Amino acid sequence: NAGVTQTPKFQVLKTGQSMTLQCAQDMNHNSMYWYRQDPGMGLRLIYYSASEGTTDKGEVPNGYNVSRLNKREFSLRLESAAPSQTSVYFCASSQFATNEKLFFGSGTQLSVL
Amino acid sequence: GDSVTQMEGPVTLSEEAFLTINCTYTATGYPSLFWYVQYPGEGLQLLLKATKADDKGSNKGFEATYRKETTSFHLEKGSVQVSDSAVYFCALSRQAGTALIFGKGTTLSVSS
Repeated sequence: NAGVTQTPKFQVLKTGQSMTLQCAQDMNHNSMYWYRQDPGMGLRLIYYSASEGTTDKGEVPNGYNVSRLNKREFSLRLESAAPSQTSVYFCASSQFATNEKLFFGSGTQLSVL
Repeated sequence: GDSVTQMEGPVTLSEEAFLTINCTYTATGYPSLFWYVQYPGEGLQLLLKATKADDKGSNKGFEATYRKETTSFHLEKGSVQVSDSAVYFCALSRQAGTALIFGKGTTLSVSS
């Protein structure tokens, strides 16, 4: 039972490079989320998708784009990485946006040099 | 806007000690409240929840009571174990269709 799978687990980028973080869930959940976790800041919402075909900005969307590719997959793209985007990124899903039990992936540790 | 404030960590305890991690919130209406736990190297997982005033959420020996009069949802455990060492996040829900708001997290370290 995989749950929420994120790839890659670790990534090092140079400033200005681009990359896409992948997330897939196998629980037939409708809603998916991207958070970033920084020391002393807790988790901050980047983008979320309440249902397939919709996406909305969260608290810290600048510098990121997302794609809800299908019901299972929700990707996060950094078009031009900056050192301020060094963080641990978590994908999560829930049955519905009104269902607050989130299931989290194990995270992607990203360093931008 | 809505927000969650947790006590600063780290919290360092000996095994079998009593644990309290404070959490207070600011929100309009009647949010649901949650505690999530993050073990080293893993994602967060739901520990317990409470959906209305005076509800008590409980799981794995942890408890928290939704206190509307003090806008608090403090996490307690009577006797902690080394395996409870983790980061604990308080969170609340906003209106339907939006995502959870998390506090900054409190690191708990339990030694034997």
